[in-house]
Amino acid sequence: DGGITQSPKYLFRKEGQNVTLSCEQNLNHDAMYWYRQDPGQGLRLIYYSQIVNDFQKGDIAEGYSVSREKKESFPLTVTSAQKNPTAFYLCASGPSGGALADTQYFGPGTRLTVL
Amino acid sequence: GQNIDQPTEMTATEGAIVQINCTYQTSGFNGLFWYQQHAGEAPTFLSYNVLDGLEEKGRFSSFLSRSKGYSYLLLKELQMKDSASYLCAVGGDYKLSFGAGTTVTVRA
Repeated sequence: DGGITQSPKYLFRKEGQNVTLSCEQNLNHDAMYWYRQDPGQGLRLIYYSQIVNDFQKGDIAEGYSVSREKKESFPLTVTSAQKNPTAFYLCASGPSGGALADTQYFGPGTRLTVL
Repeated sequence: GQNIDQPTEMTATEGAIVQINCTYQTSGFNGLFWYQQHAGEAPTFLSYNVLDGLEEKGRFSSFLSRSKGYSYLLLKELQMKDSASYLCAVGGDYKLSFGAGTTVTVRA
């Protein structure tokens, strides 16, 4: 089955700890994205990657880091520098990393709660 | 940057029609997307418009006017399962920018 997987679905962490969220896709998509969603707000872009070994900051990158060592994988680390990390995190992928906006396909999301 | 506006909430009766408007101001435009998101779930793709006019896909249609910076999503023959949030997104500069979403509640 082709798709995007995120794990875990729910994650709890203590304040001050770094945490890494997993995102894997087997759609052979070049582009991958990380979004954050807070209640009553739209999706806000954290980081995106158009090709392996390259990524760019989105609108709210502070306190987050990513890597793109493999085409299939785009993990997101929420660091202790992120002031308000509790949120619903969504990973997405799209067929190409070109300037034309692609349809993006989303994973099931990870709900992170920092205690 | 992008400025995308859509109503916060709408309520309609089962079997009725609802139109969700979206206006945008952008520094670049490569298309207008609509996504559906049920509570606690991921958004799923509904439609894409890059040229002016109406795109019809079953019970859902989407319209775009680039000169007016305006789009709408039309949901016909509403069903209870259509109760969800509908996200308008503008494509440009290698990425999508999303509006805050419109929560549609369908009543019996």
